[in-house]
Amino acid sequence: EPEVTQTPSHQVTQMGQEVILRCVPISNHLYFYWYRQILGQKVEFLVSFYNNEISEKSEIFDDQFSVERPDGSNFTLKIRSTKLEDSAMYFCASRNREGNQPQHFGDGTRLSIL
Amino acid sequence: QKEVEQDPGPLSVPEGAIVSLNCTYSNSAFQYFMWYRQYSRKGPELLMYTYSSGNKEDGRFTAQVDKSSKYISLFIRDSQPSDSATYLCAIDAGGTSYGKLTFGQGTILTVHP
Repeated sequence: EPEVTQTPSHQVTQMGQEVILRCVPISNHLYFYWYRQILGQKVEFLVSFYNNEISEKSEIFDDQFSVERPDGSNFTLKIRSTKLEDSAMYFCASRNREGNQPQHFGDGTRLSIL
Repeated sequence: QKEVEQDPGPLSVPEGAIVSLNCTYSNSAFQYFMWYRQYSRKGPELLMYTYSSGNKEDGRFTAQVDKSSKYISLFIRDSQPSDSATYLCAIDAGGTSYGKLTFGQGTILTVHP
């Protein structure tokens, strides 16, 4: 069964450094999402992306965050200058364009900021 | 008032029991309702998806939506130790915000042999 894949599984970065989290959505999906889950807290929506532009973003998704689909298969989340509070699990999700289909999630990248 | 509320448990049941998991929500505009299962160190795995009031069954799982009460449930029949996981309800407002999921806290379930 096709799946969303995310790399790396764990990223350790010094505070203030830039980090790029990578996702390969399911191949025929056209809607892409990033969520994060701080340890012990709810999964939170960050951003949705369709047709090479952001459809919607949350308050969390400030100027430090950006997303990009650099080619036909990858979808990336960049954090420009990481803070300690950016430490979390980051999940990528995608869904099919046909009708109102549910999202399928990757296994996440655990981001640890030191 | 929180948009989606879910009792975090933990919930511990013997193998073979019927499990009932529940969420309430506050926004009557929510239209689409999902249940995800999350194993430790894994991403949410879609279990059930529905957009209308009533019941939807898939094997041992039944999802129930009551829009008038803003209440959704997931029932697991003949629970197995492999069902031990965190169960997340997720709700989508639909419309122009379709795809922006609001999650509950998650309920930790343990099924012991």
